[in-house]
Amino acid sequence: DQQVKQNSPSLSVQEGRISILNCDYTNSMFDYFLWYKKYPAEGPTFLISISSIKDKNEDGRFTVFLNKSAKHLSLHIVPSQPGDSAVYFCAASATSGTYKYIFGTGTRLKVLA
Amino acid sequence: DTGVSQDPRHKITKRGQNVTFRCDPISEHNRLYWYRQTLGQGPEFLTYFQNEAQLEKSRLLSDRFSAERPKGSFSTLEIQRTEQGDSAMYLCASSWRAGALNEQFFGPGTRLTVL
Repeated sequence: DQQVKQNSPSLSVQEGRISILNCDYTNSMFDYFLWYKKYPAEGPTFLISISSIKDKNEDGRFTVFLNKSAKHLSLHIVPSQPGDSAVYFCAASATSGTYKYIFGTGTRLKVLA
Repeated sequence: DTGVSQDPRHKITKRGQNVTFRCDPISEHNRLYWYRQTLGQGPEFLTYFQNEAQLEKSRLLSDRFSAERPKGSFSTLEIQRTEQGDSAMYLCASSWRAGALNEQFFGPGTRLTVL
């Protein structure tokens, strides 16, 4: 049972435009959500996070939106740059116990110059 | 270097052999995690240490797998009698404490290929 789903395996966006990556979750116990970026042959790198007490968190070009009623979050990148081309993983955690992360399957973003 | 390090970066072994991986977390981090990532999937949780205590193991961690974290510093993950299905990227992550800002920092991973 996939508790965290990223239904778009890939996304291509023109440089300068907005990239929107989506993520859905099923477990209502999740209350902390993160996005990680991964380049080939490297480990995932933390990008941005959001607690369930918020519906939006912004950090420079990156904004994460959380819709708890729909169990949906999205990552917006504006403006997109070629260096943003990577695989993006959505992760969720319940802030009790081990705080282990449950990851989605990833979305490969390609930003075209 | 203050990041998470893993050794080796790549390991090729024959089916039935034992392998051991090492993870050195960020020095002040007391929480250490192991994940496994296969092609086309996201990382999957394997096990968790708080200091030297192993507090959770996933059902993915069969009895051929064992992890240790002596003295609450580095950690090792051993796979006995490797199988081709064990081929994956093994990722280690560490974090400082629990709570809303407990993002985990990942190492570069160890890619295991079982022939």
